[in-house]
Amino acid sequence: EAGVTQFPSHSVIEKGQTVTLRCDPISGHDNLYWYRRVMGKEIKFLLHFVKESKQDESGMPNNRFLAERTGGTYSTLKVQPAELEDSGVYFCASSQSQGEGNTEAFFGQGTRLTVV
Amino acid sequence: GEDVEQSLFLSVREGDSSVINCTYTDSSSTYLYWYKQEPGAGLQLLTYIFSNMDMKQDQRLTVLLNKKDKHLSLRIADTQTGDSAIYFCAEKGTALIFGKGTTLSVSS
Repeated sequence: EAGVTQFPSHSVIEKGQTVTLRCDPISGHDNLYWYRRVMGKEIKFLLHFVKESKQDESGMPNNRFLAERTGGTYSTLKVQPAELEDSGVYFCASSQSQGEGNTEAFFGQGTRLTVV
Repeated sequence: GEDVEQSLFLSVREGDSSVINCTYTDSSSTYLYWYKQEPGAGLQLLTYIFSNMDMKQDQRLTVLLNKKDKHLSLRIADTQTGDSAIYFCAEKGTALIFGKGTTLSVSS
């Protein structure tokens, strides 16, 4: 069974350009999360989808970031226009169900974004 | 504090034990996790502990939980060079709340 896949693995763009990151969760996982790690800092939550709906987007830094999950399958995270401080590793994770029990979140390998 | 805190670096010799410490924020967190990130790879769930436990052992891994002090630790026995990685402590809120990660370096 395929795990969580992210594309691209690396992206280098100039300040002001647009970049779109893609995440394909594990098939059948309703929950999809985006996280970001800026170098040397903690991994920070960005947002959470349940199927195609945004359950929690409290971690999105500003309106330059737009996440979508059309049809409740794969998700995209677009940064427009990109700024230098957006550089970091963007992780996607998916899980099967939400609730009080322990539900393992499976992570992708991340997309390393460098804005120059 | 408001952040999950971890020491940033740990260096050990092969065969020694490694202990990575973490202080978390929310005393009501039901699950606490240790994730491992190897170079170029994603985050891998290493182990977790339920908050009503104070210890969990899984082969070379031992997790200790002190709820009163909100302190979590991960002990790796007989550390190997393949254990070199970044280890993240995380607590479960509506989403996972991570620390900054501890880089474990194992020398032979």
